[in-house]
Amino acid sequence: DIQMTQSPSSLSASVGDRVTITCRASQSISSYLGWYQQKPGQAPKLLIYATSSLQSGVPSRFSGSGSGTDFTLTISSLQPEDFATYYCQQSYSTPLTFGPGTKVDIK
Amino acid sequence: QVQLQESGPGLVKPSETLSLTCTVSGGSISRHYWSWIRQPAGKGLEWIGRIYTSGSTNYNPSLKSRVTVSVDTSKNQISLKLSSVTAADTAVYYCARDLGDVAVTGYFDAFDIWGQGTMVTVSS
Repeated sequence: DIQMTQSPSSLSASVGDRVTITCRASQSISSYLGWYQQKPGQAPKLLIYATSSLQSGVPSRFSGSGSGTDFTLTISSLQPEDFATYYCQQSYSTPLTFGPGTKVDIK
Repeated sequence: QVQLQESGPGLVKPSETLSLTCTVSGGSISRHYWSWIRQPAGKGLEWIGRIYTSGSTNYNPSLKSRVTVSVDTSKNQISLKLSSVTAADTAVYYCARDLGDVAVTGYFDAFDIWGQGTMVTVSS
């Protein structure tokens, strides 16, 4: 199985901050990586797929980059509705696996 | 728009079989892959397995001996059965649709539509 790690596990930030979350795969996954946002009591929401493709309806302040084993999710200007937990997920091979999550809360 | 709704017993006894159904409304079940994903309380996401409308399946090896995913295209439903459950199977179970229309873009193994999730507790 491909193991996914994320850093940091949590972070505190203010509205308007630029936030970067890192995801690392245990082996190369090319560009087969997605990012999800999950708020308490809700299902995850797809933000980005194939490393950098923005899902329809997702604000452009979200962006993704990377390739191989190292990837980042960037929120250019954090908004109040962005406080949530973020998960990366590799789609390179089954079993599909997720990172452990990064919780973004209010400073 | 397409919506997913999971249903099934919220409480299952140890050693019994967990059975859930995901009903797809607002669109066809065809031409997409469908996955089951679970999340224990306060923990991360675990992919259980997926099915295409042809009936082709892939399972997580960690669960493969206990899992069956099936599809009923006439009812627009996907089902999950997990046998010999233990407390470790207690989780919120989600069904989710693959982003890609297989006939147009192929599949992505990224999930654009999710059900609200259903909590399943394994306890006697």
